[in-house]
Amino acid sequence: AQSVTQLGSHVSVSEGALVLLRCNYSSSVPPYLFWYVQYPNQGLQLLLKYTTGATLVKGINGFEAEFKKSETSFHLTKPSAHMSDAAEYFCAVSEDSGFQKLVFGTGTRLLVSP
Amino acid sequence: DGGITQSPKYLFRKEGQNVTLSCEQNLNHDAMYWYRQDPGQGLRLIYYSQIVNDFQKGDIAEGYSVSREKKESFPLTVTSAQKNPTAFYLCASSISSGGSNQPQHFGDGTRLSIL
Repeated sequence: AQSVTQLGSHVSVSEGALVLLRCNYSSSVPPYLFWYVQYPNQGLQLLLKYTTGATLVKGINGFEAEFKKSETSFHLTKPSAHMSDAAEYFCAVSEDSGFQKLVFGTGTRLLVSP
Repeated sequence: DGGITQSPKYLFRKEGQNVTLSCEQNLNHDAMYWYRQDPGQGLRLIYYSQIVNDFQKGDIAEGYSVSREKKESFPLTVTSAQKNPTAFYLCASSISSGGSNQPQHFGDGTRLSIL
């Protein structure tokens, strides 16, 4: 069965600092991996996804993530945090079963201070 | 603009009442999903539907029911059997063909509270 672990329910950074949100997954087959962002009282918005091919994936708003099969990780990074990045971030995994059933991590709330 | 519309944004339920949450999409997506979100628990799948007139239970289906009579609509009923219904409910949709690598698109959610 698939599972996702997001280390740290809260991460605090200063504006301009590096953002690193951690995601480790468990899957018996090559996975598809996603990062979503959620602003207060809103739905989830896709940041980026890894399916096949290049392991470094670039997304919206300057975020990127690297798929590392040997470490079963898909950490999300951004070189310089902006106040508008404050939100909750979810990592999710699905398996190639012909139909998408996403399994989500418990989320990491990013706090950005001036 | 294409998207997913959930209504109402806020909903209050009395003990013993059934309530229905609306989800409509104009993305022409075949697959639709309902999730429940609780603080610190991420999103948990309630029901999903790949095509009209067909749906499957997710991980926490007890106390909930759905229908899929039209491609655009996937309403969720929270029944009185759901003992802890207070939560944020999210509806999503995705292209069914193309498999598991297609992202899901989300509505803005309905927050359900017990009076």
